[in-house]
Amino acid sequence: NAGVMQNPRHLVRRRGQEARLRCSPMKGHSHVYWYRQLPEEGLKFMVYLQKENIIDESGMPKERFSAEFPKEGPSILRIQQVVRGDSAAYFCASSPGQAYQETQYFGPGTRLLVL
Amino acid sequence: GENVEQHPSTLSVQEGDSAVIKCTYSDSASNYFPWYKQELGKRPQLIIDIRSNVGEKKDQRIAVTLNKTAKHFSLHITETQPEDSAVYFCAARGNDMRFGAGTRLTVKP
Repeated sequence: NAGVMQNPRHLVRRRGQEARLRCSPMKGHSHVYWYRQLPEEGLKFMVYLQKENIIDESGMPKERFSAEFPKEGPSILRIQQVVRGDSAAYFCASSPGQAYQETQYFGPGTRLLVL
Repeated sequence: GENVEQHPSTLSVQEGDSAVIKCTYSDSASNYFPWYKQELGKRPQLIIDIRSNVGEKKDQRIAVTLNKTAKHFSLHITETQPEDSAVYFCAARGNDMRFGAGTRLTVKP
């Protein structure tokens, strides 16, 4: 059973470009969570999605950031018009469901560098 | 929403000694408390978790305790080894998952 997959592992963008980060959950998992980790800091919740639904986006910046989890294919975290402050590691995690106490399993992360 | 505080932010111990990391949470509805270990440049890995109907759980050298009344939970690592050096994150989950800021543990040989 392959774990959570993320790609690309490293992404370099210039200011103003768009960044698209992909996450494929573990087989059998239908819930995806995105976290951002700034250098030397902890994990900050961004968004929680089920297939075709955003359940909780309370951690997402109001502008330039969006996420989706289509019926087919990976979850996508999209950052438009990137700025230097967006440089961080972005981790996704997946769980089988949103039963009250589901364990989340993390992907390897995408390290975004904005020049 | 949930607010999780973690202490200390850095911890240095001698190999063989014990290490204790403490977390507090604010949401009394939180029922699940995992701990993650993150080595430099790698993903967070679940090392142990505890649910609200249990006060203590142990797995070899790692143990976690939970005090629901006081809303705090702790990670205990005994007989520490240099490979235990990493950043450790606690988390609490009610309606969503919130992480502590992390503890950088260094085990000196």
